[in-house]
Parts: sequence; C-alpha cells; structure tokens
Amino acid sequence: GAGVSQSPSNKVTEKGKDVELRCDPISGHTALYWYRQSLGQGLEFLIYFQGNSAPDKSGLPSDRFSAERTGGSVSTLTIQRTQQEDSAVYLCASSLVGREVNTEAFFGQGTRLTVV
Amino acid sequence: SQKIEQNSEALNIQEGKTATLTCNYTNYSPAYLQWYRQDPGRGPVFLLLIRENEKEKRKERLKVTFDTTLKQSLFHITASQPADSATYLCALADRGGTYKYIFGTGTRLKVLA
Repeated sequence: GAGVSQSPSNKVTEKGKDVELRCDPISGHTALYWYRQSLGQGLEFLIYFQGNSAPDKSGLPSDRFSAERTGGSVSTLTIQRTQQEDSAVYLCASSLVGREVNTEAFFGQGTRLTVV
Repeated sequence: SQKIEQNSEALNIQEGKTATLTCNYTNYSPAYLQWYRQDPGRGPVFLLLIRENEKEKRKERLKVTFDTTLKQSLFHITASQPADSATYLCALADRGGTYKYIFGTGTRLKVLA
C-alpha cells in the first residue's frame, strides 16, 4: 500500500474488555514494529516481527498483550482484559529489512486507545 | 542500565537561529542512529540516518553528528522556521539485540516568529 495503515484510529473500551488493533504495513516490508506512546512520552518498544516470526517480544508489558503477523503482512496486537493504564497511542511501523540494514521505519497514524 | 536521553525540556528559539538537539545513550552499541520528526497526533517521520563510522551527515538545513566515544548525537536545524516546530526523536538500532529501533523520549522544539 501507499503507507502504513492502522485501524481503528480511535478506540474507547471498557475496563476488562479485550481489544484488537490492526496494522497493514507497506507492501514488501519484512520488518514490522509495535510501539506504545503515552501522552507526552517517548515511544515504548513492544514487539518486533521479521516476516511472521517475532524475534523480540521483550517489550510486551504483560501476558495480557500478544501480537501476531500473518502472511508476512498484516499484524494484530491484542490486549486482553484491558486496564486503564493501557490507555495510550499504539503505533505500528514497518521497514524493508530489520536486521543489519539501515533502513528507515515508516509509521502509521496510530490507534488511540482509551480504557474507561 | 540502558538509556537513551534527550532534553525533556522544550526548546524555544528565534526564527532564523540554529536549533541544536542532543541525544545521549548508555550501554548500547548502535550500528546506526536515526532522527525522526513527530507532529501532534501523527506518527514519527524519518529525517536522517547516520552510521557508526560517519561523523556527520547533512540534508538541506539539517545536520547530524555522531560521536561513538561520547555516545552522543547532535541534531542541528539551521535557519530555523516556525514550520520546524515539532517533537524530534532520536532512535538507534542496537547491534547487541535484534536491531530493533529504540527511541528516545523526544525534544519539543518551538521556533518563534
């Protein structure tokens, strides 16, 4: 596609519900990243995919968070039993190759998640 | 512990002056370092990349330096304009891990007309 697309752009959910956030990376980009950004804060790394596998899940804050990527393309970040502290903007990025190739990351607009 | 630090205070400068933003890192071994611009409500946008064996990189009014001894990168915007007002983030790819991009907290720049 023309750019990284994320959906929904905004999501309000009740505490305790599960949510799914979707990311469509740029076609042909093998590396995909999820970050979380709280208000006025920097980007907190969550997970990195190379193809369909996730060599680095070190940033997932708890076992309520999971992500998958299928067909080397679309990725879904799932948050189970949401808590208020999960409220943030979730950003997805993709790049041509993640390892040992110095390529830029292209970001989507983000999904603003609000847990009430 | 591993850290990437940028000036958390907002930087206000007068139009036409040079803005200089700092990125310091601790306990990383970056293969390269990148700078991004982020506007409110938007995702970051790539600006410049500098490799570990490069001292300086330029692109139009932008200049980045990278000192692996000091573990520091400086980002300069010359002849700054109000349209340059944004948050600027540094990011490094740590060869010690999976080369994922790790971001600093960002510095908010405001250029005053």
